[in-house]
Amino acid sequence: NAGVTQTPKFQVLKTGQSMTLQCAQDMNHNSMYWYRQDPGMGLRLIYYSASEGTTDKGEVPNGYNVSRLNKREFSLRLESAAPSQTSVYFCASSASSGGANGELFFGEGSRLTVL
Amino acid sequence: GENVEQHPSTLSVQEGDSAVIKCTYSDSASNYFPWYKQELGKRPQLIIDIRSNVGEKKDQRIAVTLNKTAKHFSLHITETQPEDSAVYFCAASVGSTLGRLYFGRGTQLTVWP
Repeated sequence: NAGVTQTPKFQVLKTGQSMTLQCAQDMNHNSMYWYRQDPGMGLRLIYYSASEGTTDKGEVPNGYNVSRLNKREFSLRLESAAPSQTSVYFCASSASSGGANGELFFGEGSRLTVL
Repeated sequence: GENVEQHPSTLSVQEGDSAVIKCTYSDSASNYFPWYKQELGKRPQLIIDIRSNVGEKKDQRIAVTLNKTAKHFSLHITETQPEDSAVYFCAASVGSTLGRLYFGRGTQLTVWP
C-alpha cells in the first residue's frame, strides 16, 4: 500500500517549457488535490477534484491545468513554465469531499525549478 | 476567500515545557480546522483536527481549542520532546470539501534537550 505517489521528485525546466506532474493514490479516495509550498508561505491550493469527473480551481490556479484521469490519478500540467512556478508541489488525497474524515494524505513532493 | 494567520513564526522551548501556537481566520463559515506537522524534507502529516461544533479536542500530549466567536484556534503541546521539533501548520476549510484548505504560514518549533 504505497499511499500517494507522485512523479517526478525533482525537475529543472527552462522558462517556456511544459511538463506534467503525475499523481496516483491507492487508497480508493474520492478527492484529490494539488498544493504548492513556497518558503514562508505555507501551502496553497492550486486545483482540486472533489470526485472523479470534476475539477475546480483553488487559490492559485493561474498557469496550471489539471486532469482527473480516473479515480486513482490526478495530473498537474504547466503549459509554459515561469520562474514564479519554482516551488515544491504536493499531491494529496482524502476519503471524501465531506463527511466525517477530512484528513489529507500527501505525496512526498516534487521539487520544480524553473530557470 | 479565507485568510488564516498564524503566530509565532518561530518558537523555541526547553524539553518538558509547553508550546502554544495560535491561528486566526477571517471567514465565519469555516467549519473544519486541522493541524499538520512537517518534519524537514518530509510531507505534511495531520496531527489533530477539530470541527466547528466542538470547543476542544485532546490527543495525548496535544490539544486544540477553538473560539468561534473570536475566530481563533490554538494548538497546545505539553511535555515537549526533541522529536516534536518541526514546522506546524494550521488550516481552515469552508464548505463541504474538507480538503480544500487555507493554510497558515507555519511555525518552526524547536525543542532543546
